[in-house]
Amino acid sequence: GAGVSQSPSNKVTEKGKDVELRCDPISGHTALYWYRQSLGQGLEFLIYFQGNSAPDKSGLPSDRFSAERTGGSVSTLTIQRTQQEDSAVYLCASSLRPLLNTGELFFGEGSRLTVL
Amino acid sequence: AQRVTQPEKLLSVFKGAPVELKCNYSYSGSPELFWYVQYSRQRLQLLLRHISRESIKGFTADLNKGETSFHLKKPFAQEEDSAMYYCALRVDYKLSFGAGTTVTVRA
Repeated sequence: GAGVSQSPSNKVTEKGKDVELRCDPISGHTALYWYRQSLGQGLEFLIYFQGNSAPDKSGLPSDRFSAERTGGSVSTLTIQRTQQEDSAVYLCASSLRPLLNTGELFFGEGSRLTVL
Repeated sequence: AQRVTQPEKLLSVFKGAPVELKCNYSYSGSPELFWYVQYSRQRLQLLLRHISRESIKGFTADLNKGETSFHLKKPFAQEEDSAMYYCALRVDYKLSFGAGTTVTVRA
């Protein structure tokens, strides 16, 4: 497709379960970002990938959160032992290069996670 | 550390009235600022960037370094402007976003 694709679009899980969220960026985009969108918190940066490496993981809230990217393309965000405070919309974004002068990130539609 | 503040969570205006969304930032370097918009059931997308000094959909934003502000303005709001608006500051490879302002334009 032409845009950033995320799956699942909605995920309801029980507290303590693990979840995986997937992001398929725009073809050829080397930079990939995960953000978390929650009410009152705005958009929180989680992690940044350049190719397959993650030079900035500073936004991951705890060691229950991890992410990987393979083949310079698809990325997976994994949340282990989910907690209710993990409920949010997880947004993935990509850019051709890491934001050089344009500042334009292309966002997916997000994965809405609800932890019961 | 850099920070973006949007003091208004909700903003309601009547159609045809002016609208201004406030954004303040703190950053020790030379700032690059942006406004992103998310319409209902659509993806978050770039609205405008300060370096372009452009007007998009009637919106403008001026960077005021003295007041460390980048407020978004439109003289005559339209119903289709109802959306969530985020101010963002670019630092190297990363965008730091504010908490967002939900704008409702009423007929």
